[in-house]
Amino acid sequence: GAGVSQSPRYKVAKRGQDVALRCDPISGHVSLFWYQQALGQGPEFLTYFQNEAQLDKSGLPSDRFFAERPEGSVSTLKIQRTQQEDSAVYLCASSFQENTEAFFGQGTRLTVV
Amino acid sequence: DAKTTQPTSMDCAEGRAANLPCNHSTISGNEYVYWYRQIHSQGPQYIIHGLKNNETNEMASLIITEDRKSSTLILPHATLRDTAVYYCIVRADLNSGGSNYKLTFGKGTLLTVNP
Repeated sequence: GAGVSQSPRYKVAKRGQDVALRCDPISGHVSLFWYQQALGQGPEFLTYFQNEAQLDKSGLPSDRFFAERPEGSVSTLKIQRTQQEDSAVYLCASSFQENTEAFFGQGTRLTVV
Repeated sequence: DAKTTQPTSMDCAEGRAANLPCNHSTISGNEYVYWYRQIHSQGPQYIIHGLKNNETNEMASLIITEDRKSSTLILPHATLRDTAVYYCIVRADLNSGGSNYKLTFGKGTLLTVNP
């Protein structure tokens, strides 16, 4: 497809479970971003990749959050030992360069019960 | 990045122009004004951006005041599908250094277009 694809669209996890969220960026886009959006709030920056290099992970809320993009294309956001406060929509975005227009996926809605 | 202030919500009649204001009084010379919108259950969508000149594209127009302390996004003929949260964001350009790749979203303006 032409857009950013995220899977799954919805994920329900039991507290303490590990989850992995996938992002397929637009082909050829160098930059990839992850954002977290709590209910009723705007998206908040989590981490940024330029190709396979993770240049900024300052927004990751704890060491339970880990992101990777090993071949500079698909990215995975992993959350270990999920907690209720991790419940949110996780958005992935990609752009041709780091400061050009960012295209967002539809997000993965994570609910931790 | 400079902070922006937007009204929490606005209403607009279908077919009329929607004018969404944004204050960014602390904007600095190398910061652009970006607008994104987020329709319910979708990811944010880029609309338009500008530095100091007014800009227009197929989606909207952006009017930036001469002192650059505020701007207005104009949807010339709003439709029901334009109902969304609209985010005004300021971001530094590539050559200014720092983490200008980040988009710092606030809470935005919920625009409701009524039939």
